[in-house]
Amino acid sequence: GAVVSQHPSRVICKSGTSVKIECRSLDFQATTMFWYRQFPKKSLMLMATSNEGSKATYEQGVEKDKFLINHASLTLSTLTVTSAHPEDSSFYICSARNRDYGGSDTQYFGPGTRLTVL
Amino acid sequence: AQTVTQSQPEMSVQEAETVTLSCTYDTSENNYYLFWYKQPPSRQMILVIRQEAYKQQNATENRFSVNFQKAAKSFSLKISDSQLGDTAMYFCAFNNAGNMLTFGGGTRLMVKP
Repeated sequence: GAVVSQHPSRVICKSGTSVKIECRSLDFQATTMFWYRQFPKKSLMLMATSNEGSKATYEQGVEKDKFLINHASLTLSTLTVTSAHPEDSSFYICSARNRDYGGSDTQYFGPGTRLTVL
Repeated sequence: AQTVTQSQPEMSVQEAETVTLSCTYDTSENNYYLFWYKQPPSRQMILVIRQEAYKQQNATENRFSVNFQKAAKSFSLKISDSQLGDTAMYFCAFNNAGNMLTFGGGTRLMVKP
């Protein structure tokens, strides 16, 4: 239980295009999902908190118009990188919070998406 | 704001031996959760072990156990009988019951044959 999928696993796009990344909780409902960015050999940096049915909460310094988040259902959140540029190239990871599994408030992570912007 | 510190950027251990990874945190909260996550070369974040702050008993999961010292705000991870598959980045993380995870900087563990 508590499996999170992420799609695609890798994407290469041209500068100026938009890329959508999907995060799904497969066997539980997640009212809250999180989007992180990870640079090589670094820790995870929280970008935003995605709440089902409401607007996402962005961390300081993260452009909400560039990183669009939609949490349309209890099992799906999407991150769209709009007008991507090479500096947006990174590893993006989502997580979903499960309050029922294991009896505590735990985040379970997707396998990540490597974005390369040419 | 909470902070999580992992003072060991890199560690190595011989296969079958025991290794302890350190983690300290700072918070004014009384109720919270602590986690250790493992990130192998595949980069999939895997939950290793979790500890509720209100529980005095240290959590254990097979070869993994923690030493939770609430007063000292310390949460170390002990890996017994290390295996080659334990080679990974290990992240300590803090969650104050409902809000975001705060991660430490990570410790890169290498298990040597």
